[in-house]
Amino acid sequence: NAGVTQTPKFQVLKTGQSMTLQCAQDMNHNSMYWYRQDPGMGLRLIYYSASEGTTDKGEVPNGYNVSRLNKREFSLRLESAAPSQTSVYFCASSFGTGQYFGPGTRLTVT
Amino acid sequence: AQRVTQPEKLLSVFKGAPVELKCNYSYSGSPELFWYVQYSRQRLQLLLRHISRESIKGFTADLNKGETSFHLKKPFAQEEDSAMYYCALSGVYNTDKLIFGTGTRLQVFP
Repeated sequence: NAGVTQTPKFQVLKTGQSMTLQCAQDMNHNSMYWYRQDPGMGLRLIYYSASEGTTDKGEVPNGYNVSRLNKREFSLRLESAAPSQTSVYFCASSFGTGQYFGPGTRLTVT
Repeated sequence: AQRVTQPEKLLSVFKGAPVELKCNYSYSGSPELFWYVQYSRQRLQLLLRHISRESIKGFTADLNKGETSFHLKKPFAQEEDSAMYYCALSGVYNTDKLIFGTGTRLQVFP
């Protein structure tokens, strides 16, 4: 099993550009999550999906949209990137307690 | 409000010294508590959860409901323990969603 995979690993965007971060899991988990990790702030939940077809806002959803394409895939879209969105983005999945994380995407917005 | 507090941003010890990473929480019900570890430039990994009452890599953590704490301890630190440690909380009836603390960086010097 690959677990949770994310693409791309690194990305540099200019302000105003858009992009989609991809996440997939092969563990048949119902729930999936997107976090951002910033120094001194820990991990903050952007959006989550408790099951296929449902999504809910987390702590910091502004500037982001998500799509739960199917049970395996959960994508995060930045429609108009801003420098404040420079961060490391982690996807995670879970079934019951405990979450499993992807390797992260390091995004820089200039 | 649900909250996880890790008061120390950085904890530095020498190899062989005891380690205690502090975690306090606020939650109105009966939470589940977790410790996650993130080695340099790697994904977060679940280290242990309080319901398992296990010891992983020599680390233990006991849930103290009276003091609302879940401190992580290890009697003899090793250099390979150097990493970022996050304490996290989830509610019993919403077990999948986690609230993270801001993390403590543990540095173990030779």
